[in-house]
This record gives sequence, structure tokens and C-alpha cells, in this order.
Amino acid sequence: DTAVSQTPKYLVTQMGNDKSIKCEQNLGHDTMYWYKQDSKKFLKIMFSYNNKELIINETVPNRFSPKSPDKAHLNLHINSLELGDSAVYFCASSQGSLGGRGETQYFGPGTRLLVL
Amino acid sequence: DQQVKQNSPSLSVQEGRISILNCDYTNSMFDYFLWYKKYPAEGPTFLISISSIKDKNEDGRFTVFLNKSAKHLSLHIVPSQPGDSAVYFCAASARASSNYKLTFGKGTLLTVNP
Repeated sequence: DTAVSQTPKYLVTQMGNDKSIKCEQNLGHDTMYWYKQDSKKFLKIMFSYNNKELIINETVPNRFSPKSPDKAHLNLHINSLELGDSAVYFCASSQGSLGGRGETQYFGPGTRLLVL
Repeated sequence: DQQVKQNSPSLSVQEGRISILNCDYTNSMFDYFLWYKKYPAEGPTFLISISSIKDKNEDGRFTVFLNKSAKHLSLHIVPSQPGDSAVYFCAASARASSNYKLTFGKGTLLTVNP
């Protein structure tokens, strides 16, 4: 059983399109995250939701909109895709909201987005 | 602004020897540090962590050392095994509002040769 799953694994699309990436966790965790790993290999937090409430919202273009329909799902919608959005996007979850304090974050396998 | 730096993009060691991966940080507010391991086409997995009140934490073959005055931490793997070949990310956290977000380094690719 996959703990944190993401769909799709690969996404190739044209500039200007709108796309969504879905994330689901079956660990019963309260907190979910979206990270972006860019071409320089840095993993950067984008958003975090705790019990469907937004708790971390980094400086991210508002073309990116996370949506949490329930505790087990955190989807990422991206409008008007740009070349610079090409990256690997990782979803993660942790038991509580202290995901950087010893509450292990469990990561999904990543979604490789390529914008042409 | 690179607050967590892993200056060695890669490291190659022989099986059975020690692997030492280094990490430096600049933000003095960081007080909790973690190492994650990542295989190709998978997400990072948590390996070991250390709080700033300690200078060493050990878990089996993995030991993390923290030197607060130098703002430096290192991960020691002894003995190294071929299955340890992966990218290792150093991460740090500091209280931000009421939450603790992780700031990651760029990672170091460790190759353990049989």
C-alpha cells in the first residue's frame, strides 16, 4: 500500500495551459504539504494544510492554488503554466503540524512537470 | 538565499568505509536538523534528526553531529553499504509563525562502490 501517492507521475504540457496534480495519503495524517524541486535541485516548501486549513503559504505565484477537499487529499492546481514551472513537485504528509520538529514527513514519489 | 548548504554535490566511497556528508547553515534561528535520503524516482525518506540541544544523535549505522558554533552538521555512515547509494538532503527548521517548515539543501549524491 502506497502511503503518499501522487497522480500523474509525469505531466508534459504547453505554456498557458491549466493543470492539476493530485495527492492522497492513507496514513491518517492531519497535515499535508507541497514542495517544488527546481532545476537547481532545491526542495522548497510551497504550501501546508492542517486539517484542511492552510497553515503555510510561501511566496508562490497565485497561479498556484492548493485545494484540500478532505484531510487525506491535497491537490495542486496551476493556472497559465509557464516554462519556469517545470520542476518536480512532491507532496508530503505528517501526523501533526510540527512537520519540521521530529514528526516525520512522508513524501510521495513526485510529479515531473515539463512545460513546453 | 541559500540558508542550508551542501557544498559537495557528490561523494564516492568504498563499501565498508565511512561516508561523511556535510551540511552548513546560515540562519541562527534554525534549531532542529534532519537528514533525508532519496532514491531515483522516489520521494525523500526521513533518516535521522537532531535537536540543537544535542551535539550527537546515533541510530544504527547513522550518526549526525552538530556543531552549533560553526553552524555545521555532518552525517556519518559506518560501515557504508551499496544500498546507501542515494541523494542525501540536509534540512533545517526554525519556528515560523506557529509552524515549523523545513528548509532543504541541494543534496549530496553518495555512491558506495562494492
